[in-house]
Amino acid sequence: DVKVTQSSRYLVKRTGEKVFLECVQDMDHENMFWYRQDPGLGLRLIYFSYDVKMKEKGDIPEGYSVSREKKERFSLILESASTNQTSMYLCASSLSTGANYGYTFGSGTRLTVV
Amino acid sequence: DQQVKQNSPSLSVQEGRISILNCDYTNSMFDYFLWYKKYPAEGPTFLISISSIKDKNEDGRFTVFLNKSAKHLSLHIVPSQPGDSAVYFCAASAIRGGSEKLVFGKGTKLTVNP
Repeated sequence: DVKVTQSSRYLVKRTGEKVFLECVQDMDHENMFWYRQDPGLGLRLIYFSYDVKMKEKGDIPEGYSVSREKKERFSLILESASTNQTSMYLCASSLSTGANYGYTFGSGTRLTVV
Repeated sequence: DQQVKQNSPSLSVQEGRISILNCDYTNSMFDYFLWYKKYPAEGPTFLISISSIKDKNEDGRFTVFLNKSAKHLSLHIVPSQPGDSAVYFCAASAIRGGSEKLVFGKGTKLTVNP
């Protein structure tokens, strides 16, 4: 019954490292999203993609990039990790049918940058 | 400009009593509303939703009420159980370019005391 899988539950990285967060969904969804969750700030959209090789900036894209080479996989890249990127990162996917089905979320990756 | 607002960051209730979580929105173009529940170190999971053409939707102990004129929705949990302790996110949905886009509130942390 696995639907949206994030490759790591916990990560610790050093400042300045390049970090890859991977997300795979097995529901053949067109849309995929990356959020970060911080206390008091809720869920903030970083990037999203409505199709393969397509990406759009969300509300807080600075310091991040994404890659979507295949429909099922959406990667979030921290080009040079900084301590203010310590957060819970959540991947989500949804259908692109014009209907309201909501999003399916992965379990999250808790990233700590030291 | 926050389109979806959850003005109470936290709520504490006794086991067996009613929990009422509130959400306000500003955009009358939203046509669907959802509640997600999130435990620590896990991704949000879908709880219940309501279409903008309805004013109530019930699923077991969970009921969502929508007041379109006031642009307000609420989630009622009766009776509350300790396992309901989690962060609850309100989300509003609109179809843009054929794809669904969710806007999330900042969340309300519910604590149900035994």
